[in-house]
Amino acid sequence: GQQVMQIPQYQHVQEGEDFTTYCNSSTTLSNIQWYKQRPGGHPVFLIQLVKSGEVKKQKRLTFQFGEAKKNSSLHITATQTTDVGTYFCAGPQDSGGGADGLTFGKGTHLIIQP
Amino acid sequence: KAGVTQTPRYLIKTRGQQVTLSCSPISGHRSVSWYQQTPGQGLQFLFEYFSETQRNKGNFPGRFSGRQFSNSRSEMNVSTLELGDSALYLCASSLGLAVSYNEQFFGPGTRLTVL
Repeated sequence: GQQVMQIPQYQHVQEGEDFTTYCNSSTTLSNIQWYKQRPGGHPVFLIQLVKSGEVKKQKRLTFQFGEAKKNSSLHITATQTTDVGTYFCAGPQDSGGGADGLTFGKGTHLIIQP
Repeated sequence: KAGVTQTPRYLIKTRGQQVTLSCSPISGHRSVSWYQQTPGQGLQFLFEYFSETQRNKGNFPGRFSGRQFSNSRSEMNVSTLELGDSALYLCASSLGLAVSYNEQFFGPGTRLTVL
């Protein structure tokens, strides 16, 4: 079945450094969503990308959707302690009979050292 | 607007028992999805309900079932609990189907521990 792989699993950065997480799908995605989960919290929607090659920015966060719509990335510039958490990508799963639900990557845990 | 609520927040059961978890979506949202979150497997999709019908289903055994009521509230049931069912169960609501370009709003989750 479709898989959504996310790397790295963990990322330690010094406060102020940049951070990037990458998401790769085994199949073409109609759209991709990104979520953030703070420690002890629940996932919170960040953004959705739909178009091939799309780039969207939210303050220090930059999201990209690959030309082939099989990969995506999230880049954070100048990390702050408030960025701590796990970042997930998610795409529609399709076993061949139409979309079966959202498949989440295993997430990238961002740890920030002050 | 009130967020997604889940009850109970914590639950301890023993192997072989069954459990029912409840989720109330954001007012106006017609879709409710359920996920299981564990440290090893991450977030795994269980099923999605829209207008009282199961629209999508993940790769979980038949012991996991759900339903949705006319007011969009949803319940999921796990029968014959196993130790491996210990997890955080999250529900998420959206205006339309989650796979169809709809933002999901997650509830705080129910932490289930099976002894």
